[in-house]
Amino acid sequence: NAGVTQTPKFRVLKTGQSMTLLCAQDMNHEYMYWYRQDPGMGLRLIHYSVGEGTTAKGEVPDGYNVSRLKKQNFLLGLESAAPSQTSVYFCASSYDRFFREKLFFGSGTQLSVL
Amino acid sequence: SQQGEEDPQALSIQEGENATMNCSYKTSINNLQWYRQNSGRGLVHLILIRSNEREKHSGRLRVTLDTSKKSSSLLITASRAADTASYFCATDAPEKGGGNKLTFGTGTQLKVEL
Repeated sequence: NAGVTQTPKFRVLKTGQSMTLLCAQDMNHEYMYWYRQDPGMGLRLIHYSVGEGTTAKGEVPDGYNVSRLKKQNFLLGLESAAPSQTSVYFCASSYDRFFREKLFFGSGTQLSVL
Repeated sequence: SQQGEEDPQALSIQEGENATMNCSYKTSINNLQWYRQNSGRGLVHLILIRSNEREKHSGRLRVTLDTSKKSSSLLITASRAADTASYFCATDAPEKGGGNKLTFGTGTQLKVEL
């Protein structure tokens, strides 16, 4: 039972480069989320999705785009990476909406933008 | 300061001792969740306590919620070296304009020494 799988685990980008982070879940969850974790800041929500074909902005959406073409996948894109986007990125999913139930997290992607 | 703030920021104890960490928040909540994060890994859900509950247990974990004081505590009894991790509280609260928001605190780093 894989749960939530994120790829890649590590990535180093130069300023201005683009990349896509992939999140896949095998629990048939409707709700998926992308968070970033920075020292002393806690986790902050970037974008989320309430079902296939839907996306919505979270707390810190600027500089990121997302897509949910398939229910099991949620992609996070950086079109032109900036050093401020150096962070650890976590994908999560949940069965219920509005955070009434627990979130399942992936193991994270450590991204460095030089 | 943030909606959910943990106290202390860091805690070091001996194996076998109890560990207590606290979470304070500012606004009314629907529920409060506790998560554990081992170094370099994703967050793992521990316990969810709803606003109408005062105490919940799960194995060696005991969570209390005092909505009048807007605070929660996580007690880990008979700690083990494997409990070494960061612990985060997350509060689910209504947002202005509708919807809900899950806000993570900055975490308590627990170190359990042999």
